[in-house]
Amino acid sequence: DVKVTQSSRYLVKRTGEKVFLECVQDMDHENMFWYRQDPGLGLRLIYFSYDVKMKEKGDIPEGYSVSREKKERFSLILESASTNQTSMYLCASSSPTGTSYEQYFGPGTRLTVT
Amino acid sequence: QKEVEQDPGPLSVPEGAIVSLNCTYSNSAFQYFMWYRQYSRKGPELLMYTYSSGNKEDGRFTAQVDKSSKYISLFIRDSQPSDSATYLCAMSRYNTDKLIFGTGTRLQVFP
Repeated sequence: DVKVTQSSRYLVKRTGEKVFLECVQDMDHENMFWYRQDPGLGLRLIYFSYDVKMKEKGDIPEGYSVSREKKERFSLILESASTNQTSMYLCASSSPTGTSYEQYFGPGTRLTVT
Repeated sequence: QKEVEQDPGPLSVPEGAIVSLNCTYSNSAFQYFMWYRQYSRKGPELLMYTYSSGNKEDGRFTAQVDKSSKYISLFIRDSQPSDSATYLCAMSRYNTDKLIFGTGTRLQVFP
């Protein structure tokens, strides 16, 4: 069974803080993704990575950065958290030998920025 | 205009009903069409996928794609309370492309 885990289920941070969201997958997948999910907006892609040390901007990368030092771990960084980054953050992984649409998601981190 | 439009619901139906969930899209380049199911406080999980036009059936679930109308549907027969979840449609141009998600439809099946 593919398992994608995220470091926290709930997180409360203050405006201006640097925030790290961690994601780990145990299926040796090359592809990893970070989304945010907001009511009425659905899932929006922030960043993705097809290999270690590789990253690509998604549709809404502003205010975020990522790090992928190891294949199984993909971190999302909010350099200076703002209230409009309050959201549910979902990490996903997939295998390039399979298909991109078969993405396996973690349980999500609900981040509140006050 | 969003690339993918989906009615947010909520949709509330009695157990045993046939449920129809739909999405429309604007990008004719989309070829892969998926339905993800998301239970409360969980991440989405892939339910069904279809390549190009046509129907696909899996148990009580049927996915339909009409590329000429840019319209996709998911039918759930004999709906169960355990089907209560948010259903997200997603699409891509090719099988390694990024996914574009709809906003999700919340479904409630009551006993």
